[in-house]
Amino acid sequence: QSALTQPASVSGSPGQSITISCTGTSSDVGGYKYVSWHQQHPGKAPKLMIYDVSNRPSGVSDRFSGSKSGNTASLTISGLQAEDEADYYCSSYTSSTTLVFGGGTKVTVL
Amino acid sequence: QVQLVQSGTDVKEPGASVKVSCKASGYTFIYFQMHWVRQAPGEGLEWMGRINPNTGDTKYAQKFEGRVTMTRDRSTSTAYMEVSGLTSDDTGVYFCTRGKPTGYFDFWGQGTLVTVST
Repeated sequence: QSALTQPASVSGSPGQSITISCTGTSSDVGGYKYVSWHQQHPGKAPKLMIYDVSNRPSGVSDRFSGSKSGNTASLTISGLQAEDEADYYCSSYTSSTTLVFGGGTKVTVL
Repeated sequence: QVQLVQSGTDVKEPGASVKVSCKASGYTFIYFQMHWVRQAPGEGLEWMGRINPNTGDTKYAQKFEGRVTMTRDRSTSTAYMEVSGLTSDDTGVYFCTRGKPTGYFDFWGQGTLVTVST
């Protein structure tokens, strides 16, 4: 199972919106509504930000939103803040009943 | 509150095995699958596999088939992940994480650093 494809880095100024893409195949991202996104700060465990494509867990800011079109899922962060600077990983359920992560995207707040 | 507490840092020589534990509390252990995720130094997250704590059924990523064994002890609500035949490529942080039915992870352990070195 190959890793999902994410851009290595995305940057934006405070207050701006950024979008991170996550591209897979019809056997994972495109085949199921089971894409999730995690945020990871250095030295910390990942934190769930979005699940089942577009659902936010309790306590996660509504500045984070998710969507999917075909084989590509997206995470949008609006009103970018300094605390959003972190690594972001998408993951998807697959047709092999396994899970697969994306390679990760480093978000920099300029 | 849900907590996953993992065993501490470990250092192993090449060829050895390592067993990492993950003690769950704050929920009914057998109701949720437990997954294991590895992160090599400076690298991304890598799904290793999962175990159904109720039945003991496992599913491993193809890359780890035959070298990783996941087990559980229902009496202590603890999941275990053992890697055999360690090489320097196995150096990294190993996380346990609770899996929901649609495959997302809502709670994570603090991570266990395993270093493989002579």
